Order: sequence, then C-alpha cells, then structure tokens
Amino acid sequence: EPEVTQTPSHQVTQMGQEVILRCVPISNHLYFYWYRQILGQKVEFLVSFYNNEISEKSEIFDDQFSVERPDGSNFTLKIRSTKLEDSAMYFCASTPGRGGGQPQHFGDGTRLSIL
Amino acid sequence: QKEVEQNSGPLSVPEGAIASLNCTYSDRGSQSFFWYRQYSGKSPELIMFIYSNGDKEDGRFTAQLNKASQYVSLLIRDSQPSDSATYLCAVNNNNDMRFGAGTRLTVKP
Repeated sequence: EPEVTQTPSHQVTQMGQEVILRCVPISNHLYFYWYRQILGQKVEFLVSFYNNEISEKSEIFDDQFSVERPDGSNFTLKIRSTKLEDSAMYFCASTPGRGGGQPQHFGDGTRLSIL
Repeated sequence: QKEVEQNSGPLSVPEGAIASLNCTYSDRGSQSFFWYRQYSGKSPELIMFIYSNGDKEDGRFTAQLNKASQYVSLLIRDSQPSDSATYLCAVNNNNDMRFGAGTRLTVKP
C-alpha cells in the first residue's frame, strides 16, 4: 500500500538555526498537510497545501514557517530561527483531492529536537 | 475556538470486553469525523471515518455520530491487548482538522 514518507526520522538543530523537514506524499495525491505534536500533547494542524499554494493554515503557522513543493515529489516544511518550543514530532499527510472528508494518512513523522 | 474534547483516561477493559471511547466537538460546521490509533512514539493510524449520523461498522470497530449532540464515539468489540494505545478523535471542517488530546486505552489479558 502506498505510504507517505518523511525524512529525516530525527533532526537535532541548534536554537536559532533553520531546519527543513521533507515529505514525499503518496504519488497521485494532490492535497498535502503538516501537523505537529509536542511530546505528551495533542496533534495540531499547521497547514494544508493545494495547487502550489497554502489552502488553510492554523494560528500556529506564523511567519516562522513556510511550505514548498520544490519538485514533483517532495513537500517541505521550513522553520526559520528555531526556538526550543519548536521541539516536537512533525507529521506530513496527503489526500487524493480537495475536500475535508477524505481520510488523511500520516507519515511516520520527523522528531525535531532543538538544543 | 474549535475544540475537540476526549476523556484522557486511562480506560482499562479486560480482554474480550467492549471498549467505548467518546468525543465531543464544538464546531457545528464540522463535516467529517475520524478515529486514529496512536501507539507510543508512533504516528497516528487511521481506524475509522464517518460522515453521516448513525453507525458505521468495520470489523470489530463501530463509529457512531450524532451531529445534533456534536458527539462521536468509537466502540471496540472483543478488545485485544494489541488494542492498547491512545485513540485520537479528529474533526474536519474544510481541511482544517482538529484533534482531541486522545483517550489512553489499556486492554488487560
């Protein structure tokens, strides 16, 4: 069964540095999502992306964050000037098309540790 | 503020029993409802989704939705120790999906 893949599985970064998290969505999917989960807390929606632009974003997704589809396969989340509180699991998901009713399948996640 | 509320548990049931997990949501415009299972340190795994009022069954799992009461539930029949995990309720409105904090379920052999 097709899967969403994320790299790296664990990223350790010094505070203040920029980090890029990478995702390869399922190949025929058109809608992409990023979520984060701080240890012990709930999964939080960050952003959805469709047709090379942001579709929806949460209040968490401020100017520190950006997303990009740099080529036909990758979907990236960039976090600029990282802070300690950015330490979390970051999950990518994708769906075949537009519509909030479509089930989202998650990648295995990237654990981001900010030192 | 769009809230999704779940009892954090832990909910403990004996093997073979029915586990009942509940969720309420605040956004009346919510269109679709999901249950995910999350093992410790792992990503959420989709179990069930439901869009219409009523029950939806898939194997040992039954999802129930009552939009008037803004209530979603998940029943797990014949619970197994391998069902021990945190169960996340998620509610979606136009691709803005909100998760509850999860209910931790323990199934005791």
